[in-house]
Amino acid sequence: EVQLVQSGAEVKKPGESLKISCKGSGYTFTSYWIGWVRQMPGKGLEWMGIIYPGDSDTRYSPSFQGQVSISADKSISTAYLQWSSLKASDTAMYYCARRAGYNYHYFDYWGQGTLVTVSS
Amino acid sequence: QSALTQPASVSGSPGQSITISCTGTSSDVGGYNYVSWYQQHPGKAPKLMIYDVSNRPSGVSNRFSGSKSGNTASLTISGLQAEDEADYYCNSYTSSSTFWVFGGGTKLTVL
Repeated sequence: EVQLVQSGAEVKKPGESLKISCKGSGYTFTSYWIGWVRQMPGKGLEWMGIIYPGDSDTRYSPSFQGQVSISADKSISTAYLQWSSLKASDTAMYYCARRAGYNYHYFDYWGQGTLVTVSS
Repeated sequence: QSALTQPASVSGSPGQSITISCTGTSSDVGGYNYVSWYQQHPGKAPKLMIYDVSNRPSGVSNRFSGSKSGNTASLTISGLQAEDEADYYCNSYTSSSTFWVFGGGTKLTVL
């Protein structure tokens, strides 16, 4: 059974760093892109970026380029989303999702989400 | 501002059919058959309902169907059930640097 399990909720202060994770299981982790999606409180879905764990090829949405960093450790089948200096506006639910295939354009499995709260 | 335009809300009674539209441009919806739809219940992760315009993943009810005409894609839900009440998001591949874009989401209320 394919599963994406994300790390737990985080409460941080502005300016702090953070790294959240997404662990894949039930499939060959290195053969599928993993994307990250932001959902701000009461708002819609926004695509942030995507990584191919097989070779760490990473693409970012222009809105998030330079604001976050996406990485993966294929030895433990885990993808990461990282901030070096959080802002209050980073408060949101973050989902990881598996791209259905290398050249496919939809996301077939989603993690349960990680709630990030940034507040002084 | 979302790249794809969806109605903020739609409603219908049990047993009825509803359609949610998703309007883009020739750079996204109109240019590719890569429209997908996701259902999101409150507090839950999105769930894939339709991919590549009109294909249903295994396990998704055949009451859900998708189509596209020009720059507008549509999700139709027939035989509405209370459990269909949720937010629905369309998504399309785009030739712009963002790769994929979501619609703003539509809240479906089952009366």
